[in-house]
Order: sequence, then C-alpha cells, then structure tokens
Amino acid sequence: GQQLNQSPQSMFIQEGEDVSMNCTSSSIFNTWLWYKQDPGEGPVLLIALYKAGELTSNGRLTAQFGITRKDSFLNISASIPSDVGIYFCAGQRRGDYKLSFGAGTTVTVRA
Amino acid sequence: NAGVTQTPKFRILKIGQSMTLQCAQDMNHNYMYWYRQDPGMGLKLIYYSVGAGITDKGEVPNGYNVSRSTTEDFPLRLELAAPSQTSVYFCASSNQGGNEQFFGPGTRLTVL
Repeated sequence: GQQLNQSPQSMFIQEGEDVSMNCTSSSIFNTWLWYKQDPGEGPVLLIALYKAGELTSNGRLTAQFGITRKDSFLNISASIPSDVGIYFCAGQRRGDYKLSFGAGTTVTVRA
Repeated sequence: NAGVTQTPKFRILKIGQSMTLQCAQDMNHNYMYWYRQDPGMGLKLIYYSVGAGITDKGEVPNGYNVSRSTTEDFPLRLELAAPSQTSVYFCASSNQGGNEQFFGPGTRLTVL
C-alpha cells in the first residue's frame, strides 16, 4: 500500500510538555488511525477517526481527521515517561480492506 | 480472550531453510493480515485474508505463502529463507472491514 508521510521522524520531549505529530498523504483516505508500539511489542490502537474534521480524544491523546481527508494529527498533552514509544499513523481508502502505514514517530521523554 | 497470538517469539534460520510462522485469533474476526517491520520503517503488508479460504497478496509477497483454512488461523510460510527476510513479523486481525486491526506480539526472525 501507499506509504504515508509521517513527521517528525523522532522527538525528544520534556516531561509535562504537549507534543504534536502529523501524517500526510497525496491521496484521500476514509479512515485514519493512530497506533502506539512499545519496545518488543505489537502496535496497539489508540484512536480511530471516520469522518473528515472529526476530533477525538482518548485520555491525554487527541487526534484529528483533516478536512481535506489527506492528513491527520495526533497531540499528546502533559507528557509522562510511559508515553515513550513509536507512534504510527495508518489510513484506509474507501472499499479497501488494507491499511497504509506511516514510518512512525519515535518519542523519547526526558524526565 | 487471548486476542491475537503468534508463535514462535524468536527464531534463527539458516539460508535455504523453511519455516511456518503461526498466527491465531479467538475474536472471530474475518480479516487477518501479515506484516513485516524492518528497523526504522513502518509496517509493510505481506499477505491478507478477508475470510476462510480467501487470501490475497499485499505489498511484499515474494518469498512467502499463506493459507486460511479456518477463521481462527492464518499461518505464514517461508520456503527458502534468505537474509533479506530477517525482520519482525506481525499478524493482525479485524472485524470492521480491515480498519481497526488488532496486532499480535510479533515473531523476530533472523536468517543467517
């Protein structure tokens, strides 16, 4: 599937900071998803977005489905050490049973 | 529910050997997927299945085969292992048209 452009590639953040990452594509997606992967584990679904413009929260995480359907954003508020990991965006096109994944954003928290 | 389970967790193969990576899910999901993850890269789809008896190629199917004889199981077969197949392999399943996928813990494979 088509790879999504995810940025930044990595980030070092101070505990307590708010952080943002985003994912863009040259084509339209009907569903956007955000996953988190801890070291040595499989990805875990954080948030799923189904409608353009939708803003959805899961605890300190907030994600938005871009109005153009070609991008999505994930915000983490008040970072804590357990936010360390790799965050992946994924998109699904209409009628497709597959997901396309971004290359991931590696988050490291400085205590 | 155990969710998605994968065996083995780790394996070292010699070039030319064959093996089967096992994947099972107990959530009665129709859709199942195999991905590989190389360092610093995202997940690349190898094969997927939309139901028992139906399989289709993903982005990187060469060197792999799959079968789906039951809803629960989706094994991935490597016939002639090559160093390029050194990777971490993840199996996933979904019951929502393939979007909300649940992943297994992965199999770390090294081919020497």
